[in-house]
Amino acid sequence: GENVEQHPSTLSVQEGDSAVIKCTYSDSASNYFPWYKQELGKGPQLIIDIRSNVGEKKDQRIAVTLNKTAKHFSLHITETQPEDSAVYFCAGGNEKLTFGTGTRLTIIP
Amino acid sequence: GAGVSQTPSNKVTEKGKYVELRCDPISGHTALYWYRQSLGQGPEFLIYFQGTGAADDSGLPNDRFFAVRPEGSVSTLKIQRTERGDSAVYLCASSRGGRGTQYFGPGTRLLVL
Repeated sequence: GENVEQHPSTLSVQEGDSAVIKCTYSDSASNYFPWYKQELGKGPQLIIDIRSNVGEKKDQRIAVTLNKTAKHFSLHITETQPEDSAVYFCAGGNEKLTFGTGTRLTIIP
Repeated sequence: GAGVSQTPSNKVTEKGKYVELRCDPISGHTALYWYRQSLGQGPEFLIYFQGTGAADDSGLPNDRFFAVRPEGSVSTLKIQRTERGDSAVYLCASSRGGRGTQYFGPGTRLLVL
């Protein structure tokens, strides 16, 4: 089955700077890679996703890149704000998603 | 429109009891998923429905866990003879089709004493 690894587990960034979270996956049959933001006591909220026929996708301050050959994908958040503080999860798969272990992002004002 | 809703939001039960957790997907979404999230971990897949049928139940940990979706909309996750290790947040998600974007509900926090 799929195995998704995520790094780093914690990340502290000065407000206004960029944050990068990286994930690798094992199953070359996986075609869908979403990123979720989870705040304490809430369900995961989709922030951006990418499918395997695309190498990069951007939505305002958030971008995701996918390297199918190397089986890794990354989340980039620019101009970070305090409200970006949360736990972020990457996932990979098709219908069934396998999640990474999460990155706790803290934005320092 | 409304998002995915789950009830109850919290459930406390005693070891050995039976519990039912309910999920109302986004209207029109044909696919429904159950995941389980333990503290400090990412969600783990349990089961996926396409319409009324379970298309993939490979994540159900054992035969104490069962899920139904009789009319292709609302789903119920049923856990028999609960154990303390079943304590977790049970998340439900839905999507337009089998490979569509999955939108999650707020989860049900289950505590087995």
